[in-house]
Amino acid sequence: DIVMTQSPDSLAVSLGERATINCKSSQTVLYSSNNKNYLAWYQQKPGQPPKLLIYWASTRESGVPDRFSGSGSGTDFTLTISSLQAEDVAVYYCQQYYNTGYTFGQGTKLEIK
Amino acid sequence: EVQLLESGGGLVQPGGSLRLSCAASGITFSSYAMSWVRQAPGKGLEWVSGISDTGSRTYYADSVKGRFTISRDNSKNTLYLQMNSLRAEDTAVYYCAKLGVLGTLGWFDPWGQGTLVTVSS
Repeated sequence: DIVMTQSPDSLAVSLGERATINCKSSQTVLYSSNNKNYLAWYQQKPGQPPKLLIYWASTRESGVPDRFSGSGSGTDFTLTISSLQAEDVAVYYCQQYYNTGYTFGQGTKLEIK
Repeated sequence: EVQLLESGGGLVQPGGSLRLSCAASGITFSSYAMSWVRQAPGKGLEWVSGISDTGSRTYYADSVKGRFTISRDNSKNTLYLQMNSLRAEDTAVYYCAKLGVLGTLGWFDPWGQGTLVTVSS
């Protein structure tokens, strides 16, 4: 199985500041045949199901604010929130879909400082 | 609008069985692979099982292999998860989720609201 490891486990950022969450996979999730990274990011607020933010590592889902961006390739990925808003308080997960094991990172809890 | 509605959760004793259902609407259900993902109380997300669009291929996490069975009825737009030999560690909210692309390698979007399964004596 591909192991996904996120860092940090929790993060406190001031409103309007940048938040950065990292995700590392135990093996590449980049398919050389199509040059796509099989990685997604989700946001989960308390009492709600996860919501898709980013797929193909950097493609923003329709309706997701442009302050959210994804980057990285191969085994190292980053989710960046450029200017933190109060409504961004949540737990964020990365997930690989390189194979049908579909593993998730352990989650990063984002709070307001 | 795509909607996924899970049902069938509840309290069951260790060693017991439960069958979850997920009714889909707003999509051509038979075109998409589907999965079940669970979340233990206060914990992270764990993929449990997946099934191809036709139902011909199924996939399981090692933690449930041999105990859980995923299936679908495309005529009823419904996904199922038969859970046998339940253990305390299976206690979780179970979400059904649609794959965001055609095929079996994709992200999950959308997700249902989830159904809680509690395994306890």
